[in-house]
Amino acid sequence: GAGVSQSPSNKVTEKGKDVELRCDPISGHTALYWYRQSLGQGLEFLIYFQGNSAPDKSGLPSDRFSAERTGGSVSTLTIQRTQQEDSAVYLCASSPAQGGYGYTFGSGTRLTVV
Amino acid sequence: EDQVTQSPEALRLQEGESSSLNCSYTVSGLRGLFWYRQDPGKGPEFLFTLYSAGEEKEKERLKATLTKKESFLHITAPKPEDSATYLCAVRDTGFQKLVFGTGTRLLVSP
Repeated sequence: GAGVSQSPSNKVTEKGKDVELRCDPISGHTALYWYRQSLGQGLEFLIYFQGNSAPDKSGLPSDRFSAERTGGSVSTLTIQRTQQEDSAVYLCASSPAQGGYGYTFGSGTRLTVV
Repeated sequence: EDQVTQSPEALRLQEGESSSLNCSYTVSGLRGLFWYRQDPGKGPEFLFTLYSAGEEKEKERLKATLTKKESFLHITAPKPEDSATYLCAVRDTGFQKLVFGTGTRLLVSP
């Protein structure tokens, strides 16, 4: 596609439920990144994919968070047993290579845990 | 640990009033300093990448400069449509991720 597509754009979930967030990167982009942006905070790195493997998962805040990427394309970020502190905007970005050149971001998924 | 500090947190300008935003950084080895613009409800939009001290890049009314410790985003004769949050990020040697600052919220009044 022309840009990075994320779905849903908004998600409201009850505390304790699991959620899945989807990212469709720009076609041909081999690198994919997930970030989290909380109100008043900077973007917080979560995980980086090169192809289907994740060489850097250092930003995942707990074992409730996991992510996968299939076919070197679509990625899913899963949050299990959601907590109120998980409420944030989850942003996905992709880039054409490992070089990190000007990552292209999607518009994000706004997650609200009530 | 990589650190990025942006100042000021917020800046209000009159249309045509030039100013600069600051980004101070600490990294082991810089492999790129990135500037992004973010509008409300949208993802960050890439503006510039700078790689070495002394480098400068321009785009319309924006000019980014880099030293060994900081970067400046100069805004010349801003217009109301330049109102946004401007984010600075660094990439360290051996890492693919970007480390972001918390941004500067710019409001340009007509």
